[in-house]
Amino acid sequence: DAGVIQSPRHEVTEMGQEVTLRCKPISGHNSLFWYRQTMMRGLELLIYFNNNVPIDDSGMPEDRFSAKMPNASFSTLKIQPSEPRDSAVYFCASRQSTVSTEAFFGQGTRLTVV
Amino acid sequence: AQSVSQHNHHVILSEAASLELGCNYSYGGTVNLFWYVQYPGQHLQLLLKYFSGDPLVKGIKGFEAEFIKSKFSFNLRKPSVQWSDTAEYFCAVNAGNAGNMLTFGGGTRLMVKP
Repeated sequence: DAGVIQSPRHEVTEMGQEVTLRCKPISGHNSLFWYRQTMMRGLELLIYFNNNVPIDDSGMPEDRFSAKMPNASFSTLKIQPSEPRDSAVYFCASRQSTVSTEAFFGQGTRLTVV
Repeated sequence: AQSVSQHNHHVILSEAASLELGCNYSYGGTVNLFWYVQYPGQHLQLLLKYFSGDPLVKGIKGFEAEFIKSKFSFNLRKPSVQWSDTAEYFCAVNAGNAGNMLTFGGGTRLMVKP
């Protein structure tokens, strides 16, 4: 398996633009997590899904952020409109919850909003 | 709610020194515990994990961690660090009552001087 795949790896956008980050979890994994990492706040859980259903989105900063998981093999995190303070590395991770395994992380998307 | 505390935010050691990074969690029931490492510019990778059994867990690259239930701790150790261990280390917990949610500590930045 190729692991968790995120795209794009880097994104530079202007303030006010819409940004969409994409994630393909490992095949067979039924849980998916979106994290944001910054120097100031460290690693923050934004939202996680079990079996494509959002379970906990309390970490989503505000209404500008939204996440979807239309099927077991794809998820998106959207920011609309984007702001400079959204600049961070966004990680997606997946896990198989029915067995004792760890979460596997993607390479991350480095987002810069100017 | 589950929470994880890493008390050491920054650690600087010389090569061959011994390492111990603290991790404490808040949940009193069954837990799954993890240590992840993030090398500069890379994604999080699993170092080791504890689910049950022997509380002393051996991981990759000579790392180990000990689960002490009475102290709610899962400290990471390495007897002799190398310059290549320079990275950020994250402790994580999945509590039995938290579904599939994985909560991370704030991370510890380790710098090993050659």
